[in-house]
Amino acid sequence: KAGVTQTPRYLIKTRGQQVTLSCSPISGHRSVSWYQQTPGQGLQFLFEYFSETQRNKGNFPGRFSGRQFSNSRSEMNVSTLELGDSALYLCASSGDIGYEQYFGPGTRLTVT
Amino acid sequence: GIQVEQSPPDLILQEGANSTLRCNFSDSVNNLQWFHQNPWGQLINLFYIPSGTKQNGRLSATTVATERYSLLYISSSQTTDSGVYFCAVEMIKAAGNKLTFGGGTRVLVKP
Repeated sequence: KAGVTQTPRYLIKTRGQQVTLSCSPISGHRSVSWYQQTPGQGLQFLFEYFSETQRNKGNFPGRFSGRQFSNSRSEMNVSTLELGDSALYLCASSGDIGYEQYFGPGTRLTVT
Repeated sequence: GIQVEQSPPDLILQEGANSTLRCNFSDSVNNLQWFHQNPWGQLINLFYIPSGTKQNGRLSATTVATERYSLLYISSSQTTDSGVYFCAVEMIKAAGNKLTFGGGTRVLVKP
């Protein structure tokens, strides 16, 4: 079974721009979650989608948004980028609540 | 929300040594996972262990859900065990999948 894939792997953007990251879950998984990892804040939950519906959301500003498509692929968007948005963005896929979660390789975003 | 604390924050081992990493959590959980983060940032699944004991090679883990802690054992450590180990939990009352991570234990195994 193919694992979780994320694109792109690396991204450099300028302050004020917007960015879209993509995540394809393991085949058959309907839940996709997004996490941000920074040296100062560690790993923090952004949001989770299940069958195209957002079920849970973390404590991030509205500039961070996401969506999920009918094939379970998910995208997250960050608008009006700030320097502090520089981070490793990880997505995870799972069957449902309480099931094991599997992570993709991440997208490393640098904002200059 | 749920609190997750890992100890120790840093661990330096001589190759061949054994070690124990601890994860304490503050509420009832329906999912607990241990991960190893490789140098490229990917989280590698080690154990899915909301309760009980599991073993995989030189690694084993035990979760005592009633006492809200989990332990990860590394035996006969090798240099390839170096990296950051994370414990993550999902609260029973959570609406949807949401892992809360501990701060990690950074392990360095010296040859």
